[in-house]
Amino acid sequence: NAGVTQTPKFRVLKTGQSMTLLCAQDMNHEYMYWYRQDPGMGLRLIHYSVGEGTTAKGEVPDGYNVSRLKKQNFLLGLESAAPSQTSVYFCASMKGHQETQYFGPGTRLLVL
Amino acid sequence: GQSLEQPSEVTAVEGAIVQINCTYQTSGFYGLSWYQQHDGGAPTFLSYNALDGLEETGRFSSFLSRSDSYGYLLLQELQMKDSASYFCAVNSASGGSYIPTFGRGTSLIVHP
Repeated sequence: NAGVTQTPKFRVLKTGQSMTLLCAQDMNHEYMYWYRQDPGMGLRLIHYSVGEGTTAKGEVPDGYNVSRLKKQNFLLGLESAAPSQTSVYFCASMKGHQETQYFGPGTRLLVL
Repeated sequence: GQSLEQPSEVTAVEGAIVQINCTYQTSGFYGLSWYQQHDGGAPTFLSYNALDGLEETGRFSSFLSRSDSYGYLLLQELQMKDSASYFCAVNSASGGSYIPTFGRGTSLIVHP
């Protein structure tokens, strides 16, 4: 099992450009999450999904959109990137009522 | 909303014992998790408490007091490789969804 994978690992964008971050998990988990991590801020929840076809907003959803068309994939989109979205993005998955989140390796995004 | 407080930094020497505290305010509390993150890496799950008391996993233990909204992570026989950031996370149930909220993290520095 690959666990949770994220692509790309690193990306540089110019202000106003768009991009999609892909998260994939092969553990048949129901829950998937997108976080951003900034220095001194811990992990902040952007959006999450409790199952295929469902999404919901987290703590910091502005400027991001998500889709969960397939159970194993959770996409995070930036329609018009801003320098404030420079961050490390982590995806995680969790199986239903269990307590353990499994994290992907992260995507480092720099917006110039 | 949810909020968590944990110290920003803790230092200790190799072989010692260190305790990282976490206090929280939340509704729909389900459990308290602990994660470890090394520089440049992804968070990895360490421990989870849903009920009051102590959970032991090797050199690491975690404690929860639901009445005090308080928990801690205890690391024994510290090793240099334990130098990392440690996050507490509250798992809350709301409308059938399980929403995690992370603290800002505690940087543990282990000296020889």
